[in-house]
Amino acid sequence: EAQMVQSGGGLVQPGGSLRLSCDSSEITLSVYWMSWVRQAPGKGLEWVASIKYDESEKYLVDSVKGRFTISRDNAKNSVSLQMTRLRVEDTAVYYCAKIGRSEGFENWGQGTLVIVSS
Amino acid sequence: IQMTQSPSTLSASVGDRVTITCRASQSISGWLAWYQQKPGKAPKLLIYQASVLQGGVPSRFSGSGYGTEYTLTIDSLQPDDFATYYCQQYNVRWTFGQGTKVEIK
Repeated sequence: EAQMVQSGGGLVQPGGSLRLSCDSSEITLSVYWMSWVRQAPGKGLEWVASIKYDESEKYLVDSVKGRFTISRDNAKNSVSLQMTRLRVEDTAVYYCAKIGRSEGFENWGQGTLVIVSS
Repeated sequence: IQMTQSPSTLSASVGDRVTITCRASQSISGWLAWYQQKPGKAPKLLIYQASVLQGGVPSRFSGSGYGTEYTLTIDSLQPDDFATYYCQQYNVRWTFGQGTKVEIK
C-alpha cells in the first residue's frame, strides 16, 4: 500500500503551538483532497480538517476553528496542520489521510502523537 | 450529522456472521464508508458508497443501506477480522461513528 509519511508532533504545554506535516514519495498528493483525523487515547476517530487539491476549499471541525489551520504545498507534495492555542483535550494521535476518487479515506499516514500537558 | 453505531462491542467466534449497524441523524444518501482499525495502526478503508468494496478487501465483507440506516456484515469471521470498525458519513463534511469493537468470544 502506498505510503504517506508524517512528521511533527510531540509534547507541548497548554496554549502552545505545533505543526504537523504529511508528505509522500509514492503518491501525488496534489491532485487529491487531503484530511487530518485524530484519535484521543482509547477513543474513536474524529475528523479534524480537510483541504481541496487547489486549496479553494478548507473545512475544520468546530472545536478547532480559530486555532488550527490546514494548508498544503503542492510543489513539495505535502500537507500541514498548524495547531495553535493547544488544549489538553487536543491530545491525540493525528493521522493525515488522502481522500481518493472513492471519496473514502483511502491512504493514511502512520500517525503522530500530540500530547498537550503542563 | 451525527453517526451512531451499534453495538459498541460485539463478542463473536471464528466462522460467525457479524452485523454492525450505523444510523445517521439525517439522510446521507448512501455517502457512507466503513473502516477497520487494529490497535496501534491507522484505519483501513473497507467499503465506500455504502456497498462498494475497496480493492483488495475480502469478499466476506459487505455493506448495505440507504437514507439513514446502514449495515456492515462480515460473513464467516476470520481471526484477522477481530478489530474495531467505524462508519463515516461524507454527505456533509465528514463524521465518524463511535466505533464497534469485535472481540473474540
